[in-house]
Amino acid sequence: NAGVTQTPKFRILKIGQSMTLQCTQDMNHNYMYWYRQDPGMGLKLIYYSVGAGITDKGEVPNGYNVSRSTTEDFPLRLELAAPSQTSVYFCASRPSGGSTDTQYFGPGTRLTVL
Amino acid sequence: AQSVTQLDSQVPVFEEAPVELRCNYSSSVSVYLFWYVQYPNQGLQLLLKYLSGSTLVKGINGFEAEFNKSQTSFHLRKPSVHISDTAEYFCAVSELGSGSRLTFGEGTQLTVNP
Repeated sequence: NAGVTQTPKFRILKIGQSMTLQCTQDMNHNYMYWYRQDPGMGLKLIYYSVGAGITDKGEVPNGYNVSRSTTEDFPLRLELAAPSQTSVYFCASRPSGGSTDTQYFGPGTRLTVL
Repeated sequence: AQSVTQLDSQVPVFEEAPVELRCNYSSSVSVYLFWYVQYPNQGLQLLLKYLSGSTLVKGINGFEAEFNKSQTSFHLRKPSVHISDTAEYFCAVSELGSGSRLTFGEGTQLTVNP
């Protein structure tokens, strides 16, 4: 199993550009999450999904959109990039056995908005 | 709402010395507690978790943590650290019934010097 994969690893955007961060997991996990990690800070939840077709906002959803058309994929969309979105983005997934299950993280996407 | 405070942003220690990374949480309901480790330029890996039962939890790489409900703490310890333990450590909490939405602390950078 590859686990949770994210692409791209790095990206530089200009203000106002848009892009999609890709996240795929091959563990058949129902739950998936997007976090952002700012320098010196912990991870903040952006959006999460409990299964295909179901998404919900986390702590910091403004400026982002998600979709979940399949169990495997959970892309994160930035429509109008702003410098405040410069961050490292992590995708995670977990099985649906309950709150005790471990979340598995991808390697992250480092995004810079100039 | 739940919150997590990691009391030390940076902890420098010498190799083979003991270390304790402190974590306090706040929640009005029962919680599950986690410690994750992040090596440079990588995603997060689970070190250990407390779900219920024994308050002393053992994890990977010789780490352990003790849940103290009265002090709302979940401090991470290792009796003898190695250079390879140099990493960022995150404490996280998930409230019962929250769908395993994790709230992270701001992280503690552990640096092990020779």
